[in-house]
Amino acid sequence: DAGVIQSPRHEVTEMGQEVTLRCKPISGHDYLFWYRQTMMRGLELLIYFNNNVPIDDSGMPEDRFSAKMPNASFSTLKIQPSEPRDSAVYFCASSPVPGYGYTFGSGTRLTVV
Amino acid sequence: QQPVQSPQAVILREGEDAVINCSSSKALYSVHWYRQKHGEAPVFLMILLKGGEQKGHEKISASFNEKKQQSSLYLTASQLSYSGTYFCGTEIRAGGTSYGKLTFGQGTILTVHP
Repeated sequence: DAGVIQSPRHEVTEMGQEVTLRCKPISGHDYLFWYRQTMMRGLELLIYFNNNVPIDDSGMPEDRFSAKMPNASFSTLKIQPSEPRDSAVYFCASSPVPGYGYTFGSGTRLTVV
Repeated sequence: QQPVQSPQAVILREGEDAVINCSSSKALYSVHWYRQKHGEAPVFLMILLKGGEQKGHEKISASFNEKKQQSSLYLTASQLSYSGTYFCGTEIRAGGTSYGKLTFGQGTILTVHP
């Protein structure tokens, strides 16, 4: 089992550019979560999916952020246009069912300059 | 709705014990504990469910007080490898929604010295 796979590991982009982060959950895990981690705000839940359906996107900061899960093995988080305050580590995590622990991916460190 | 962790930081010598607390103002269904080392992803340690028993994992164990909506993580005979930031994540199941959704505390930095 390769675990949760995220790409890219690092992304540096200029303000105003579009950024797409990718995640492949563990096979058989029906829940997928996108978190953002910063020193100031800690780990914040952005959005999560159950069986590819978005369940709660109340944590998405604004319309510049969007997330999709077209199938059980792939999800994207897109920021358009990006701003310096979006700089953070973005984690994807998956879980088989509620009541089980999350498995986190290695994260994407995003820097917007 | 974010749980509150205490203390914010702990410094230990190898072999010493520590307790990290996590409190919520909401009725909890479950509490998760994770450890994150610098530059790495959080790693799941254990989960405590409402109505469940105290859990243990080698020399790391945890309890969940449902009346107080508090959980405590106990680290005994600490080792250098225990260093990292510990997060609790809480799950609230209000009205049948938000199953599996965790809100994380701000973290407790644990440093173990030789």
